[in-house]
Amino acid sequence: AIRMTQSPSSFSASTGDRVTITCRASQGVSSYLAWYQQKPGKAPKLLIYAASTLQSGVPSRFSGSGSGTDFTLTISCLQSEDFATYYCQQYYSYPLTFGGGTEVDIK
Amino acid sequence: QVQLQESGPGLVKPSETLSLTCTVSGGFISSYYWSWIRQPPGKGLEWIGYIYYTGSTDYNPSLKSRVTISVDTSKNQFSLNLNSVTAADTAVYYCARGGGSSSLMRFDYWGQGTLVPVSS
Repeated sequence: AIRMTQSPSSFSASTGDRVTITCRASQGVSSYLAWYQQKPGKAPKLLIYAASTLQSGVPSRFSGSGSGTDFTLTISCLQSEDFATYYCQQYYSYPLTFGGGTEVDIK
Repeated sequence: QVQLQESGPGLVKPSETLSLTCTVSGGFISSYYWSWIRQPPGKGLEWIGYIYYTGSTDYNPSLKSRVTISVDTSKNQFSLNLNSVTAADTAVYYCARGGGSSSLMRFDYWGQGTLVPVSS
């Protein structure tokens, strides 16, 4: 199975900050990479797929980049509603696997 | 707007079978892949397996010996059976829609999730 490693596992930030979360795959996944946001008690929400394609309805402050083994999720200007946990997921090969999550909380 | 809703018993005893059903509304179950994903309390996400409306399945090898996913297209539902459960299977179980191809399995619609404790 492909292991997905996210860093950092958690960090504190302020509204207005530019934040970057990293996801590394244990082997190449091309661009078959998705990002999700999860708030407490809620289901994950798809933000980005194909490494850099914004899901319909997702604000443009979210962006994704990378291919192969290294990927990043960037939030250009953190809003209050963005404090959440973020997960990456590879769908290059089975079994599908998720990163361990990155929790973004308020500084 | 596609909506998914999980249903099933709220508590399962150790060694018994966990059974959940996901009802899809606002769209047809055909032409997409449908998955079960779980999340132990305070932990990350684990993909359990998928089913296509034709009945084709694939499972996570870590659970394959204990999992069965089935589909009922007439009811627009798919179901999960996980047998011989232990406390380690305690989790929030989500159903989710994958892509229209097994190579496009990112999840754009999710159910709200249902917590299934395994306890005697």
